[in-house]
Amino acid sequence: ELKVEQNPLFLSMQEGKNYTIYCNYSTTSDRLYWYRQDPGKSLESLFVLLSNGAVKQEGRLMASLDTKARLSTLHITAAVHDLSATYFCAVGLSNTGNQFYFGTGTSLTVIP
Amino acid sequence: NAGVTQTPKFRVLKTGQSMTLLCAQDMNHEYMYWYRQDPGMGLRLIHYSVGEGTTAKGEVPDGYNVSRLKKQNFLLGLESAAPSQTSVYFCASRGRTGGPRRDTQYFGPGTRLTVL
Repeated sequence: ELKVEQNPLFLSMQEGKNYTIYCNYSTTSDRLYWYRQDPGKSLESLFVLLSNGAVKQEGRLMASLDTKARLSTLHITAAVHDLSATYFCAVGLSNTGNQFYFGTGTSLTVIP
Repeated sequence: NAGVTQTPKFRVLKTGQSMTLLCAQDMNHEYMYWYRQDPGMGLRLIHYSVGEGTTAKGEVPDGYNVSRLKKQNFLLGLESAAPSQTSVYFCASRGRTGGPRRDTQYFGPGTRLTVL
């Protein structure tokens, strides 16, 4: 069974600080996705990482993928309050019919 | 272009009742998915479809059935609801071709279901 683990599960950080969320997964995959969910809302796609060494950046968020280590990171630079949300990583497995396996999420709170 | 829509948004059932959740997408996507989201457990895949007329089981299929008679619609059925099925249900779709973001899933707004 594929396991996707995120840490930390909860993160409280001050505005202006940097931090990294980690996503580890237990089987070979070269497809990793990051989503954002605001309270009571749906999920919004942030990044699609499709190869080893892939790095994507948008605003204060940067995601990377190391398929050999089975690790993806989501780095937050100079956090602002608007980034407060829950962040999910998900692993895609094409050999199981295109299923996606989600991590349990990281709840981020940015304190002014 | 509405994206992915779900009906209903909220529902309360009694144990043993049945219901159908409807998911519709207007992006001509081949793949469609049903997930449930429970506190502290992320999203878990219930069933999915890789095309019209085809369905497959995900991680947690027991107690649910699905149908995809039309490409744009994916129905999730609960034949005999149980309190353990209280959850938020999300539908998602994904295209097979077209652009750098073709591989990601697009999610509906969710259905909050309570089974008493």
